[in-house]
Amino acid sequence: DTAVSQTPKYLVTQMGNDKSIKCEQNLGHDTMYWYKQDSKKFLKIMFSYNNKELIINETVPNRFSPKSPDKAHLNLHINSLELGDSAVYFCASSQDGAARSTDTQYFGPGTRLTVL
Amino acid sequence: AQRVTQPEKLLSVFKGAPVELKCNYSYSGSPELFWYVQYSRQRLQLLLRHISRESIKGFTADLNKGETSFHLKKPFAQEEDSAMYYCALGSGGYNKLIFGAGTRLAVHP
Repeated sequence: DTAVSQTPKYLVTQMGNDKSIKCEQNLGHDTMYWYKQDSKKFLKIMFSYNNKELIINETVPNRFSPKSPDKAHLNLHINSLELGDSAVYFCASSQDGAARSTDTQYFGPGTRLTVL
Repeated sequence: AQRVTQPEKLLSVFKGAPVELKCNYSYSGSPELFWYVQYSRQRLQLLLRHISRESIKGFTADLNKGETSFHLKKPFAQEEDSAMYYCALGSGGYNKLIFGAGTRLAVHP
């Protein structure tokens, strides 16, 4: 009965490969997010989807492409992986991010990506 | 520019000592401030938000618009408070949060 889940937990891959991270929430929330946490523990928003529609798209290389097949899922696909992509990626969800900005965000456990 | 600054990477105190984790923000609009916490081997979770004006696990935080600060305080630290604490600014709708770099609180027995 995990609220926000991510797979895989760990991902080790070679430079140049393409990989995906999956996220699912069973809270019935309308909005989902992807964050990147770098080696200095800095947490930065990458994308946000509300009801399958992209609403936040920060300055992220276009090698990163989020996909939301339905409002309970938000996957992150990364093409041509680079060393600098190594980080922990967190998925999160909130009740309704489209209008208000006070909704609590519920985070997944994170996916540690290591690019060799 | 919207920014959250947490000047201390690590705050180390003894059990029973008062704790203050500093957070300053830069935002031109009306800010919404939050504290999120990540305990060891647990996921990031909301600790408190300024609009609630509540005390959670003995922690309080007051928004000071004059000093653009939202410091987190607890009068008597406990060992179970050891964790990574992130101050976050809600900016411009769409629930976009801007996080500070985080402060690791270590409470020693």
